[in-house]
Amino acid sequence: AQSVTQLDSHVSVSEGTPVLLRCNYSSSYSPSLFWYVQHPNKGLQLLLKYTSAATLVKGINGFEAEFKKSETSFHLTKPSAHMSDAAEYFCVSYNKLIFGAGTRLAVHP
Amino acid sequence: DGGITQSPKYLFRKEGQNVTLSCEQNLNHDAMYWYRQDPGQGLRLIYYSQIVNDFQKGDIAEGYSVSREKKESFPLTVTSAQKNPTAFYLCASSRTAVNTEAFFGQGTRLTVV
Repeated sequence: AQSVTQLDSHVSVSEGTPVLLRCNYSSSYSPSLFWYVQHPNKGLQLLLKYTSAATLVKGINGFEAEFKKSETSFHLTKPSAHMSDAAEYFCVSYNKLIFGAGTRLAVHP
Repeated sequence: DGGITQSPKYLFRKEGQNVTLSCEQNLNHDAMYWYRQDPGQGLRLIYYSQIVNDFQKGDIAEGYSVSREKKESFPLTVTSAQKNPTAFYLCASSRTAVNTEAFFGQGTRLTVV
């Protein structure tokens, strides 16, 4: 069975500091993996996607993620957090659209 | 404009009544999905359909039913057998069931009183 695990339910950072949201996957093959963001009272928005073309994927709003097969990870990063980044983030495996439990990112002034 | 539409945005029902949530897409997508979102639990898959006239149970299908008679429509019925129906329900569609981006509706918040 395929699954994704988001290792942190909550992450809190100060504005201007780096962001790291962790995601591990389990699969017998290299999956397609995505990161989505959900702002309060808004729909889900695609941040970026990995589909085996390149291991480092750049997304919107300065986010990027690196696929590491040896670590079965697809962590989401951003060099400098902005207040508007506060939201819930989901790592998603694209076989039957399996969601991780989500990580709530808080950004403090 | 192409997209995926859920209606209504808010829905109230009395306990013991069945209720059907609507999901329509005009993206010509083969695959459609229903999720339930509860605080602190992310999105859990209820049912999905890879193609018209076919659907499969997800992780939490008990107390729910679906149909996929038309490609553009995937209604979800929350039956009286669902023990905790109050939740936020999200519908999604994708071109295929594997490796393609999904598009999400704005969700329906169901409250059972």
